[in-house]
Amino acid sequence: KAGVTQTPRYLIKTRGQQVTLSCSPISGHRSVSWYQQTPGQGLQFLFEYFSETQRNKGNFPGRFSGRQFSNSRSEMNVSTLELGDSALYLCASSLGFVVNTEAFFGQGTRLTVV
Amino acid sequence: AQSVTQLDSQVPVFEEAPVELRCNYSSSVSVYLFWYVQYPNQGLQLLLKYLSGSTLVKGINGFEAEFNKSQTSFHLRKPSVHISDTAEYFCAAISGNTPLVFGKGTRLSVIA
Repeated sequence: KAGVTQTPRYLIKTRGQQVTLSCSPISGHRSVSWYQQTPGQGLQFLFEYFSETQRNKGNFPGRFSGRQFSNSRSEMNVSTLELGDSALYLCASSLGFVVNTEAFFGQGTRLTVV
Repeated sequence: AQSVTQLDSQVPVFEEAPVELRCNYSSSVSVYLFWYVQYPNQGLQLLLKYLSGSTLVKGINGFEAEFNKSQTSFHLRKPSVHISDTAEYFCAAISGNTPLVFGKGTRLSVIA
C-alpha cells in the first residue's frame, strides 16, 4: 500500500512569505502528526490531528497552524516566514493513538527560507 | 514533562563489531518507548517499541533494546553491524496523553 506522501519535497521561500505543506496519510489512517527537524533542536512536535480535530499542539508560535480534512489529508501553514523556520518538516500517520499503533513517517518537506 | 536524552551524538564502529546506542528518559510513569532510524533524505522508520511485558524487545534488522525501569534507560543494541546500518537513530517516548518526544539523535557510522 502507498506510504505517507508529503508534498512538495523541497521548497525555497523568502522571509516574510507564507507556505503551505501537504501530507496525505496512509489510506485508513485517521491520525496525522507534524514535526519540525533541525540540526540544532532535533525533532520537535508541532501538532497532531485526529478525525479533523487538533488533539495536541507543541510549543510553536501562532505563525504555525494546521488542519485536517475529512479524508484525513492534512496541511500545515507557516506565515511570515523567518530564517529559523528552515527545516525538514515531517508528517506521520497512524490508525489511532500512536501508542497502540505504529506511526509511519513521510520523507518530509525540506523548507529553506532565504 | 517527558524528556529523552541520547548520550552520544555520534558513534563510529567497525563493521561486524557490536554497538550500543544509549537512551535515557525522564518519567517512568506509564512510559512507552520507541527507537526509530532515519536514512539520509528519508523519513523515520520504526525499529522497535516497548509498551509492556518483556523488558527485552526485538526489532527489525537484528536490533534489540532493553527497558530498564530502575535506570530509566532504553539502550539499543546490535551484536554485529553492517555498513548498511549507517544512519541516524532516534529514541522516543510517550507518557500519558503527550505526543512522541524524541531525543536529539545518534549518528551511527559503520566503518569498513
